Amino acid sequence: EPEVTQTPSHQVTQMGQEVILRCVPISNHLYFYWYRQILGQKVEFLVSFYNNEISEKSEIFDDQFSVERPDGSNFTLKIRSTKLEDSAMYFCASSETRSTGELFFGEGSRLTVL
Amino acid sequence: AQSVTQPDIHITVSEGASLELRCNYSYGATPYLFWYVQSPGQGLQLLLKYFSGDTLVQGIKGFEAEFKRSQSSFNLRKPSVHWSDAAEYFCAVGASFGNEKLTFGTGTRLTIIP
Repeated sequence: EPEVTQTPSHQVTQMGQEVILRCVPISNHLYFYWYRQILGQKVEFLVSFYNNEISEKSEIFDDQFSVERPDGSNFTLKIRSTKLEDSAMYFCASSETRSTGELFFGEGSRLTVL
Repeated sequence: AQSVTQPDIHITVSEGASLELRCNYSYGATPYLFWYVQSPGQGLQLLLKYFSGDTLVQGIKGFEAEFKRSQSSFNLRKPSVHWSDAAEYFCAVGASFGNEKLTFGTGTRLTIIP
């Protein structure tokens, strides 16, 4: 069964460092997302991406965040200068269309900022 | 703005007993409603979804949910739980035009006892 894969599973970084989280969405999917879950809190929408551009982003997704689809398979989330409050589980998701209602999520990348 | 409330943080159920997880939503138009499950160390998996039509929807793993517009609820049920159902369950609401941005509840952790 096709699945969304994320790397790394866990990354520890120092405050102020740049982090790149990588995702390989399901191959025939066209819509890509990043969500995050701070420990003990809700899963929160960060950004959606379609046709090589951001289609929607939340207020969380400020100038420190960026997303990119550098090739035909990867979808990355970059945090330019990490802060302590960026520590969270980051989930990548993809969907075939906007109307199917099913997002396929990866297992998440846990980011710890020290 | 859309929101989701899952009033039960943690529920413990005996194996074989019935289960109901509560979800209340707030959304101005007809919502798209979802239940996702997250097993330890896993990503989020879609259990079921409601867009329109029959208000009782069937999902995977023997789960069902009933949409009640008058109560703004979308409770998840299972007649007989199995030990493998132990997980975190998330209710989510999406905007009526698509699933671009899901708003999740805080989740309900389900523990199964023998």
